[in-house]
Order: sequence, then C-alpha cells, then structure tokens
Amino acid sequence: IQLTQSPSLLSASVGDRVTLSCKGSQNINNYLAWYQQKLGEAPKLLIYNTNSLQTGIPSRFSGSGSGTDYTLTISSLQPEDVATYFCYQYNNGFGSGTKLEIK
Amino acid sequence: EVQLVESGGGLVQPGRSLKLSCVASGFTFSNYGMNWIRQAPGKGLEWVAYISSGSSYIYYAETVKGRFTISRDNAKNTLYLQMTSLRSEDTALYYCAREAPRTGCFDYWGQGVMVTVSS
Repeated sequence: IQLTQSPSLLSASVGDRVTLSCKGSQNINNYLAWYQQKLGEAPKLLIYNTNSLQTGIPSRFSGSGSGTDYTLTISSLQPEDVATYFCYQYNNGFGSGTKLEIK
Repeated sequence: EVQLVESGGGLVQPGRSLKLSCVASGFTFSNYGMNWIRQAPGKGLEWVAYISSGSSYIYYAETVKGRFTISRDNAKNTLYLQMTSLRSEDTALYYCAREAPRTGCFDYWGQGVMVTVSS
C-alpha cells in the first residue's frame, strides 16, 4: 500500500488550524500513526490507531479518518510545532512527510 | 524513563560489515518487540527490521533481507543489527524503536546512530 502525504510543504501562521493529509492506495483499516520529527531529533509518536493521542502530547493535536483517507489536525499552530510530520501504516511503511513551517 | 541508546555506527567501505547495538533502559525490555528504522540523509523513514520480545518472530524489509540480521539479548537489555555486504544506499541514520503495546507502531525511539558506506 502506498501512502501519499499532502501537501509536502505547508506554511501557516501561529494560531491557524492546520490539516495534514495521508492517503493510502488501499484501505488502511485505521492502522495509522502520526509522527513529528523536529530538525536533528528522532521522530516522536503523536497519534496511534488513527485518533488516539499518545501520552504527553498536547491536545491541540488530533487524528481522524477511515478507509483510505486520514488527517492530522493541529487546532492552533504553535511555533514549537515546526517539524516534518510522517504518517505510518502498521506493517507497511511511512509516508514521505509534510514539512510544516511558520509563515 | 524509557531510554534507547544506539552505538556502533561509523564509516565503512562497500561490501564490509558493521554491527549496531541499542541498549534499553527504563522498561522491561524482554516484554517488547523491537525495531530498526533508518533515515537516509535528507530523506524519509524506512522500517528495516523487527524482532518479537522472545525472538520468535523476525521480519525484514526487502531491501535488507539476506544481508542484515536482527537479534537481541534480553539478559543484557540490548538489541543488535548485524549488517553485511553494505552498499552505498545503506547510508543512513539508524534508529532503534520500541513497538508500542497493542499496536503496530513505535512509541519510543533512540537518538540514532549514523552509518556511512563509502570508499
């Protein structure tokens, strides 16, 4: 199953609601996680099983989706959210990432 | 606090071998499946290998199958990746990562160790 993330680059302002997309070439069956990777750091798990928030992750992050289409939403963008975000389908692989920057 | 600390990386010539280690602490290592995941410079993430808690189940990415061997020593809380017949395309930052309970994703990652394959 191929995972396509869009956009590849997203520029938004502090306080904006931001939506990142991850689309599978086939049904992903909700077996999807989202990772945040800041420059020079290891990836950090944000969301697992499509919509479960990992312990310690701010509630402004949320996940949703079903079938082939999944979304990571940041309800109010903060400066510390600048990072690349990857989706991951269990036992399949990672998407190519969305780089999020502050406008 | 969960910690995963990789070591063993470096510069190696094509065709040679290298063995990575990952020492775990802060959790009961023997209860968790473990993975190696790599990231080529400026590129995305690629899962490399998985080993179950008791080493009964082992899986590899097609790109490394037959060349890499994952193993673990639960008495030493250590995960290994033996890499042979290295190629330039194996150049990457290698992370060890713990399998999250009751899911198929990875909840804790090490800081990574760099492997550079070049003559």
